[in-house]
Amino acid sequence: DTGVSQDPRHKITKRGQNVTFRCDPISEHNRLYWYRQTLGQGPEFLTYFQNEAQLEKSRLLSDRFSAERPKGSFSTLEIQRTEQGDSAMYLCASSFVGGRLVQETQYFGPGTRLLVL
Amino acid sequence: KQEVTQIPAALSVPEGENLVLNCSFTDSAIYNLQWFRQDPGKGLTSLLLIQSSQREQTSGRLNASLDKSSGRSTLYIAASQPGDSATYLCAVTNNYGQNFVFGPGTRLSVLP
Repeated sequence: DTGVSQDPRHKITKRGQNVTFRCDPISEHNRLYWYRQTLGQGPEFLTYFQNEAQLEKSRLLSDRFSAERPKGSFSTLEIQRTEQGDSAMYLCASSFVGGRLVQETQYFGPGTRLLVL
Repeated sequence: KQEVTQIPAALSVPEGENLVLNCSFTDSAIYNLQWFRQDPGKGLTSLLLIQSSQREQTSGRLNASLDKSSGRSTLYIAASQPGDSATYLCAVTNNYGQNFVFGPGTRLSVLP
């Protein structure tokens, strides 16, 4: 178990550019979550997957944002036409839910810090 | 809509003190509540998870309690150490734990 990893750890981009982040969950985890965190605030839920299916999306996830988890393992979060307001820490988490076990502990990655100039 | 608040926003204590962090939530129909620790610029580390049917959980010097009917949880840290300095976040899940709603956190500084 190597934990949840995210890449890159830091990204600086100019307004209007597209960026893509990657998350590799703990290998046996079937749920994967994306959150966004701004300075001094708690993380805000963006979306989550169970295996490859995207089951819920927050209203925070505008049409410039898209997330995929094509094979039910790693996930990517793409932001198109970035805006300065997109600057934040993007956190990924994973968990396992199976059988009668609904309760879950989410394990978080170190995050990708995005700065849009 | 579920809202989570945490008091105080920041706390500074001398090493060795016992302390209590507070978390409140507006919708008592939660599935579970979790306390996390976040070090500056880092991701979150899970500390304790309390199921809605439970009243408390303990891990080492940490004890978390849950009063679901009043919408409150407390995190008690015994014999605080400088290494406990971090931001502590509480989060609740509704609807079978699909996603967390986080509080803004309490920033703790333990002075040597």
